[in-house]
Amino acid sequence: AQSVTQPDIHITVSEGASLELRCNYSYGATPYLFWYVQSPGQGLQLLLKYFSGDTLVQGIKGFEAEFKRSQSSFNLRKPSVHWSDAAEYFCAVGTNAGKSTFGDGTTLTVKP
Amino acid sequence: EAGVVQSPRYKIIEKKQPVAFWCNPISGHNTLYWYRQNLGQGPELLIRYENEEAVDDSQLPKDRFSAERLKGVDSTLKIQPAELGDSAVYLCASSLTTGGTYEQYFGPGTRLTVT
Repeated sequence: AQSVTQPDIHITVSEGASLELRCNYSYGATPYLFWYVQSPGQGLQLLLKYFSGDTLVQGIKGFEAEFKRSQSSFNLRKPSVHWSDAAEYFCAVGTNAGKSTFGDGTTLTVKP
Repeated sequence: EAGVVQSPRYKIIEKKQPVAFWCNPISGHNTLYWYRQNLGQGPELLIRYENEEAVDDSQLPKDRFSAERLKGVDSTLKIQPAELGDSAVYLCASSLTTGGTYEQYFGPGTRLTVT
């Protein structure tokens, strides 16, 4: 069975600073990897995904993530955070059988 | 293009009462998911449909939860009777299983409070 660990429950960064959210996964085969963002009272919105090919993937809102097979990681990055990026971020690992498992999320606070 | 629609958005019920949630997926999406999200946690899959067929319901508490997806379009999730521990956000998602990527699109969820 697959699993996802997001080691940081809560991260605070200053507006304009860079951001990295960590994600580690466990899965025996090549995974499908996703990052989602959830604003209060809203559903999850897909930021980016990795299925194969280039290990650095670009997403919406200026986010990117890098798949590192040797480290079983898929960390999310943004070079300059905006106040509107404050939200909860979820990493997920999916299988080719359609099953996705989510981490418990990282809450991002942005300081002015 | 309309997104995933869920209703109601909020529901407060007393324990032992029944409750139902409705989901209309994105048009053309053949896969539909129901998740439960407890406070401070990620979504946990309750049931997944491929068209009309429930292909993964291993995490659905079948003694009190039931779901249906008639005609392979919209779906209803029911709890009867509700317990205090059922208080959570119930999320519906859909995907188009082209190429097996299962990229999911989520609705806004139904926040259930059981008192």
